[in-house]
Amino acid sequence: DVKVTQSSRYLVKRTGEKVFLECVQDMDHENMFWYRQDPGLGLRLIYFSYDVKMKEKGDIPEGYSVSREKKERFSLILESASTNQTSMYLCASSKPGQGGEKLFFGSGTQLSVL
Amino acid sequence: GQQLNQSPQSMFIQEGEDVSMNCTSSSIFNTWLWYKQDPGEGPVLLIALYKAGELTSNGRLTAQFGITRKDSFLNISASIPSDVGIYFCAGQYAGNMLTFGGGTRLMVKP
Repeated sequence: DVKVTQSSRYLVKRTGEKVFLECVQDMDHENMFWYRQDPGLGLRLIYFSYDVKMKEKGDIPEGYSVSREKKERFSLILESASTNQTSMYLCASSKPGQGGEKLFFGSGTQLSVL
Repeated sequence: GQQLNQSPQSMFIQEGEDVSMNCTSSSIFNTWLWYKQDPGEGPVLLIALYKAGELTSNGRLTAQFGITRKDSFLNISASIPSDVGIYFCAGQYAGNMLTFGGGTRLMVKP
């Protein structure tokens, strides 16, 4: 069964900490994405990547960075976590040429920043 | 960026009832998608629409691509408890990234 796996289901961090959210996909997809989900706001794109070592800003990249050293792994980094980054974070992947339409999502990481 | 207005934000219905939800945009899209997120899981694609006026079904679900290309509708017939979750619409224009609606939370009373 194909999967997008996020390393943590729940995370609690303190303000100012550096936070790493990890995502691995086993579908050999070139495209990978990080979204955050907040009630009433839907899913908002933080960063995406079309290839190894390549990254592009999404709609809300401020306060975040990403790393794609291997095709199957896409990491989201919060350099200095703040309380307004408390949210559900969803990783997704897709095949090239689909423009993100057939996204396969992980189960999400609920991050709480205290 | 583009905005999608999805309504209603939440619905609490009796098992067996039909459900309707919709999304509207100020901009046109050339693809509309509907995703469902089960509790504790990531969203899963339900239906994809590619042409204005298109009507597509997936079991008890039926979705339509509005003729103006600025809206889309999802109907669920004869709801069952496993329909519970959050439904998201998403629009795409050309090769741009998806724009998601705010979601409709559906609760079904047995």
